[in-house]
Amino acid sequence: RKEVEQDPGPFNVPEGATVAFNCTYSNSASQSFFWYRQDCRKEPKLLMSVYSSGNEDGRFTAQLNRASQYISLLIRDSKLSDSATYLCVVTRGGYQKVTFGTGTKLQVIP
Amino acid sequence: EAGVVQSPRYKIIEKKQPVAFWCNPISGHNTLYWYLQNLGQGPELLIRYENEEAVDDSQLPKDRFSAERLKGVDSTLKIQPAELGDSAVYLCASSLESGTGGSSYNEQFFGPGTRLTVL
Repeated sequence: RKEVEQDPGPFNVPEGATVAFNCTYSNSASQSFFWYRQDCRKEPKLLMSVYSSGNEDGRFTAQLNRASQYISLLIRDSKLSDSATYLCVVTRGGYQKVTFGTGTKLQVIP
Repeated sequence: EAGVVQSPRYKIIEKKQPVAFWCNPISGHNTLYWYLQNLGQGPELLIRYENEEAVDDSQLPKDRFSAERLKGVDSTLKIQPAELGDSAVYLCASSLESGTGGSSYNEQFFGPGTRLTVL
């Protein structure tokens, strides 16, 4: 079993729709969680951190469920510019071992 | 402020040839990462440096891959000899880590990557 798993998609959604992605992690010792965004043929960039209490940044909401070992990303009012691959990142250990998920591809269609 | 710089951006070589990639991190960033990314996959860590020390190289195929960060600034990743399966994008990232033993995680900034094709 992979340490971090994501549904690769693609998720094809119309503009204005709400879409949610989940990411599961296998190691209960995981400490920090993040969502990165990667545009086609570009480098990943940090979208947002995921806090235990949940956090929101505009149209984006991230949540953590430690009991079930997953994090989620909710995007409201999808824009064409949201089309990208969303990578889940989990860290653990003294040197914060970093593991990326395989990514979930989102395509927002007009 | 300049971001992470990588060169070359593209490289095409024949199998069994050597190849080297160079990375210059963001100024002042003490932590440097090399990742490998295959199409449709997430980045996979090859090696992580804290200053000039390799603190995690458990995923580096040491029979053919090597890396160095001699002065704790820029870094080189080498493959010798290259195999067909090494075709991928090699990403470099840097961050400014605080705390003892890298106990905190700070945002990683990625370079544009080097796209390697082995024929």
